[in-house]
Amino acid sequence: KAGVTQTPRYLIKTRGQQVTLSCSPISGHRSVSWYQQTPGQGLQFLFEYFSETQRNKGNFPGRFSGRQFSNSRSEMNVSTLELGDSALYLCASSLGLLTDTQYFGPGTRLTVL
Amino acid sequence: DAKTTQPNSMESNEEEPVHLPCNHSTISGTDYIHWYRQLPSQGPEYVIHGLTSNVNNRMASLAIAEDRKSSTLILHRATLRDAAVYYCIPTDRQTGANNLFFGTGTRLTVIP
Repeated sequence: KAGVTQTPRYLIKTRGQQVTLSCSPISGHRSVSWYQQTPGQGLQFLFEYFSETQRNKGNFPGRFSGRQFSNSRSEMNVSTLELGDSALYLCASSLGLLTDTQYFGPGTRLTVL
Repeated sequence: DAKTTQPNSMESNEEEPVHLPCNHSTISGTDYIHWYRQLPSQGPEYVIHGLTSNVNNRMASLAIAEDRKSSTLILHRATLRDAAVYYCIPTDRQTGANNLFFGTGTRLTVIP
């Protein structure tokens, strides 16, 4: 079974731009969660989508948004990029049944200049 | 959300057992204890989880204190591939919140 895939793996943007990251979950998984990892803040939960609906949300500004498609693939978008948005963005998928084991992708490394 | 306390770092010699402790004194009765680890340049991966009883799988063992305020992840024979940051995460299975709150974790160094 293929694992969680994320594209692109690396991305460089400038302040003020917007970016869209993509995540393909493991086949059969209906829940996709997104996390941000920075050296200063560690791993922080962004949001979770289940059956195309946002089910949980972390404490991030509205510039961070996401969506999930009917095939469970998910995208997250960050608008008006700031230098502090430079981070590793990780996607995790699970069956979605009450905090199942989550399977993480390799992440997208975003650098904002 | 229950808070956890883990040592920042630990060292182990290769092929020796490693005991990684975690204090979670504010854990609720319905919280499971999950352990994940993150190898260098990779996303986190699931290691093991438990509720009250000790648990074993092919990767590790999890020993949970009787009062559930602490737990210990046991790697029976550390290998170089086990060098990673280990996270202990209490997870509420009652609320349906499918999000993980990672703390700072324990960085395990395995010495050849």
